[in-house]
Amino acid sequence: LAKTTQPISMDSYEGQEVNITCSHNNIATNDYITWYQQFPSQGPRFIIQGYKTKVTNEVASLFIPADRKSSTLSLPRVSLSDTAVYYCLVGDFPPGNMLTFGGGTRLMVKP
Amino acid sequence: NAGVTQTPKFQVLKTGQSMTLQCAQDMNHNSMYWYRQDPGMGLRLIYYSASEGTTDKGEVPNGYNVSRLNKREFSLRLESAAPSQTSVYFCASSEVSTGAAGEKLFFGSGTQLSVL
Repeated sequence: LAKTTQPISMDSYEGQEVNITCSHNNIATNDYITWYQQFPSQGPRFIIQGYKTKVTNEVASLFIPADRKSSTLSLPRVSLSDTAVYYCLVGDFPPGNMLTFGGGTRLMVKP
Repeated sequence: NAGVTQTPKFQVLKTGQSMTLQCAQDMNHNSMYWYRQDPGMGLRLIYYSASEGTTDKGEVPNGYNVSRLNKREFSLRLESAAPSQTSVYFCASSEVSTGAAGEKLFFGSGTQLSVL
């Protein structure tokens, strides 16, 4: 299983861009990289997923270098409501394999 | 469309008591998961079921049993509850993510369990 390492916490201010990096040195060929967001007292929520290069959706961008040993979640112009814990998850296809979470990054957005 | 539904939302047990946490999904997903989350910590996988009729141990299976009753339902049983099992329990199901082909997890709202 690919183990992930993320910063424990980060602080930012409203309107700034936030980049959270996840290390996954032993990522396997079939592994995808997925990021989840979790608010207090709620289950995690899917944000974005990618395999290589760059993926962008309406919420975030995900940058994955060629060696795939790390990935960076980029949140443009954060607001107070982006204060949450962000998890990087590495898992493979086909579905149903053991998907494990790391400790996550606690992002605090300040006014 | 309810997604993933967990019952109960809260439960208090005494040490040694047993109980079953229920989980149901209405998205026709094949895979289902049980995670626990201790205060201030990340999620740890207890058991998972890749498809109806199969179950496998995760990172922390000791003290738990599971049943994949049918495609919709995946229950978690504590046979003899211990204070160390005080946690928030999340059930999830998964589908292949559109446009990426990896898995996308959908979580329930959790069960807060306290064992005294």
